[in-house]
Amino acid sequence: DAKTTQPPSMDCAEGRAANLPCNHSTISGNEYVYWYRQIHSQGPQYIIHGLKNNETNEMASLIITEDRKSSTLILPHATLRDTAVYYCIVSPPRGSQGNLIFGKGTKLSVKP
Amino acid sequence: EAGVAQSPRYKIIEKRQSVAFWCNPISGHATLYWYQQILGQGPKLLIQFQNNGVVDDSQLPKDRFSAERLKGVDSTLKIQPAKLEDSAVYLCASSPTSRETQYFGPGTRLLVL
Repeated sequence: DAKTTQPPSMDCAEGRAANLPCNHSTISGNEYVYWYRQIHSQGPQYIIHGLKNNETNEMASLIITEDRKSSTLILPHATLRDTAVYYCIVSPPRGSQGNLIFGKGTKLSVKP
Repeated sequence: EAGVAQSPRYKIIEKRQSVAFWCNPISGHATLYWYQQILGQGPKLLIQFQNNGVVDDSQLPKDRFSAERLKGVDSTLKIQPAKLEDSAVYLCASSPTSRETQYFGPGTRLLVL
């Protein structure tokens, strides 16, 4: 079973920030938080990952709470092309056993 | 850099028939994964290869599913015989080494009638 909890769906206005929450209260100290998204009829696409500190790249920002029990993916200026299912995944560290376990994710709809 | 290639993109078969899917990972990626994604659900790992060896096939229904990666590059997933519940998208992914970022192909959409 997935080790994360996400809302099934969210709406966001085009041009506004999209904040996608994820709960992972049973995360272990050496497990990473990964975010992928899946646009309709495509394979999942890697967005970002983090361990403890907040992370930012050209696609998004990842904010992880200090106790690591939850995180938020932020798309700073959502566009219509960001409409997708977003998956939050807890993954073991490199070199260890275990794989990505996808839940049902959050379906984000960006509206004009 | 070319992405993960999969073929065919779509396949329709009748139950009890056989079907095979092909995947060519990103060049130089040692790890290759096959996932099954049923409509409305997230992808579920079927099998993971490290070069030409199987690392994890615990979720693969071995009575009907088989996969190989003989030369450690491209891979084939086969279903024989297919059941109605095998209707799904079959995704292939690769990564440079185990547990690094995975890159997914576009998937093969299978419909079993």
